Amino acid sequence: DIQMTQSPSSLSASVGDRVIITCRASQSISGSLIWYQQKPGKAPKLLIYSTSSLQSGVPSRFRGSGSGTDFTLTISSLQPEDFATYYCQQGYSTPYSFGQGTKVEIK
Amino acid sequence: QVLLVESGGGEVQPGGSLRLSCAASGLTFRNYGMHWVRHAPGKGLEWVAYIQYDGGKKFYADSVQDRFTISRDNSKNMLSLQMNSLRTEDTAVYYCTRDLLENNCRYFDLWGRGTVVTVSS
Repeated sequence: DIQMTQSPSSLSASVGDRVIITCRASQSISGSLIWYQQKPGKAPKLLIYSTSSLQSGVPSRFRGSGSGTDFTLTISSLQPEDFATYYCQQGYSTPYSFGQGTKVEIK
Repeated sequence: QVLLVESGGGEVQPGGSLRLSCAASGLTFRNYGMHWVRHAPGKGLEWVAYIQYDGGKKFYADSVQDRFTISRDNSKNMLSLQMNSLRTEDTAVYYCTRDLLENNCRYFDLWGRGTVVTVSS
């Protein structure tokens, strides 16, 4: 099974900051990496699929990059509505594993 | 409006059973594979099971293999998850999600609001 490891597990940032979250797969997943945003009490929301494809309606301040085993989610200028938990997921093979999440909190 | 609505959650004792349902509307349900994903309290997301658009293929997480069964009724636009031999560690919010595949990347673009399952004595 493929293990997904995110870092950091949490971070504090201010509105306007650039935020970078990393995700590492235990083996190559090619470009099959997905990012979701989840707010308390809500279902996850798809942000990015296939490493860097932005889901329709998602602001362009969200950007995904990487390949193989190492991937990054960048939020170029953090907005108040971006404070949430972010999860990566590998869509390469079953079981479709998730990272443990990165909680982005207000500084 | 495209919607997935889960139901059937509740509280059950260890060893008990529950059947979750997910009603789909606003989409051509028979064209899509579907998944169940769960979120246990204080933990991360966990993929549970997948069923192909026609029910031909099914895959399960090791943690639920041989206890849970995913099924669908395309005539009723309904997805189901039969959960037997429930354990306390199955306590979670259960989401049904729509499957998409692009460039060999399988992802979940549409999510229901979830239904809560609590396994406790």
